[in-house]
Amino acid sequence: KAGVTQTPRYLIKTRGQQVTLSCSPISGHRSVSWYQQTPGQGLQFLFEYFSETQRNKGNFPGRFSGRQFSNSRSEMNVSTLELGDSALYLCASSSPGADKNNEQFFGPGTRLTVL
Amino acid sequence: SQQGEEDPQALSIQEGENATMNCSYKTSINNLQWYRQNSGRGLVHLILIRSNEREKHSGRLRVTLDTSKKSSSLLITASRAADTASYFCAIRRGSYIPTFGRGTSLIVHP
Repeated sequence: KAGVTQTPRYLIKTRGQQVTLSCSPISGHRSVSWYQQTPGQGLQFLFEYFSETQRNKGNFPGRFSGRQFSNSRSEMNVSTLELGDSALYLCASSSPGADKNNEQFFGPGTRLTVL
Repeated sequence: SQQGEEDPQALSIQEGENATMNCSYKTSINNLQWYRQNSGRGLVHLILIRSNEREKHSGRLRVTLDTSKKSSSLLITASRAADTASYFCAIRRGSYIPTFGRGTSLIVHP
């Protein structure tokens, strides 16, 4: 079974631009979560999607948004980029159902650099 | 904050030695999970331990959980250079969102 894939792997943008990151979960997984990882803040939860609906949301400004498609693929968008948005963005998928113990499988991440 | 906090922040040992890292948290939890992250890569799930469990093993890994002290430890026995990575604990409490600590950076010298 293929793992979680994220595209692109690396991205360089300038302040004020917007960016869209993509995540394809493991086949059959319906839950997709997004995290931002920075050296200073560690791993911060952005949002989780399940069956095309946002199920949970972290404490990030409205510039950060996401969506999930019917095939469970997910995208996140960041508008009006700031220098502080430079980070590794990780996507994780988990198997169907509402089991709180579900293991998350992470993708390799997208390294975003904002200049 | 319900975020787990790993200790120590960094650990440097020789190959063959054991490595122990700890995770403390402040609230009740459903489960606690340990992950490994190699430099610049995604996280790899290692072990999940539920709140009603006290110890779990997986190969050279041993995880303990003490809910009375709100802490967990990850022991890597007979460490190898390939174990060099960052290790994170993630706690789940009442929601589907695991919250992660800042991680322990482990360096195993050959």
